[in-house]
Amino acid sequence: DAKTTQPPSMDCAEGRAANLPCNHSTISGNEYVYWYRQIHSQGPQYIIHGLKNNETNEMASLIITEDRKSSTLILPHATLRDTAVYYCIRVQGGSEKLVFGKGTKLTVNP
Amino acid sequence: DTAVSQTPKYLVTQMGNDKSIKCEQNLGHDTMYWYKQDSKKFLKIMFSYNNKELIINETVPNRFSPKSPDKAHLNLHINSLELGDSAVYFCASRDRGTNEKLFFGSGTQLSVL
Repeated sequence: DAKTTQPPSMDCAEGRAANLPCNHSTISGNEYVYWYRQIHSQGPQYIIHGLKNNETNEMASLIITEDRKSSTLILPHATLRDTAVYYCIRVQGGSEKLVFGKGTKLTVNP
Repeated sequence: DTAVSQTPKYLVTQMGNDKSIKCEQNLGHDTMYWYKQDSKKFLKIMFSYNNKELIINETVPNRFSPKSPDKAHLNLHINSLELGDSAVYFCASRDRGTNEKLFFGSGTQLSVL
């Protein structure tokens, strides 16, 4: 049980921002939100993670609501290579395993 | 340099055979995993090893036996292969002392005929 809810699919135009939502309404105080993506025929790739503050790195930004019940992954300028399945995962700090859900299939269109 | 490497990339075999998949990581991580991705694309954890010790076994059949000769290697041996074992198997590693950032290999596509 991944315990997060994501839309099954989304589309985005190349060059525009892709905003991928995730609902984790039952998240507890010591659980982080992690985002991974899986490009076709490749292994999953770590993108970003956060606890309660917004985070940004070279790949994406993560916006977590103040009540921590949902978050949004932002790819600021999507490219065709960002077409992938994006997984939002909640993880307890120190946990030994990541449980992947169904994710969101993002298609970036030219 | 590939951080997490798996061999072979493709494996086609007959039912009842025994096969192995090898995994090596050069990241200096102390924890390694095997995940299975079935035809419906669900990615499920199978095993986790930390410094050659089994940490997680997610009720995987006894036909699957992981072996960790050292912390840089985690091999997966499968006995008496069945049709339902057909899947993509991913190896992963992480530094247990930091966070849950996993590094995955490129996968092994196993097809049992």
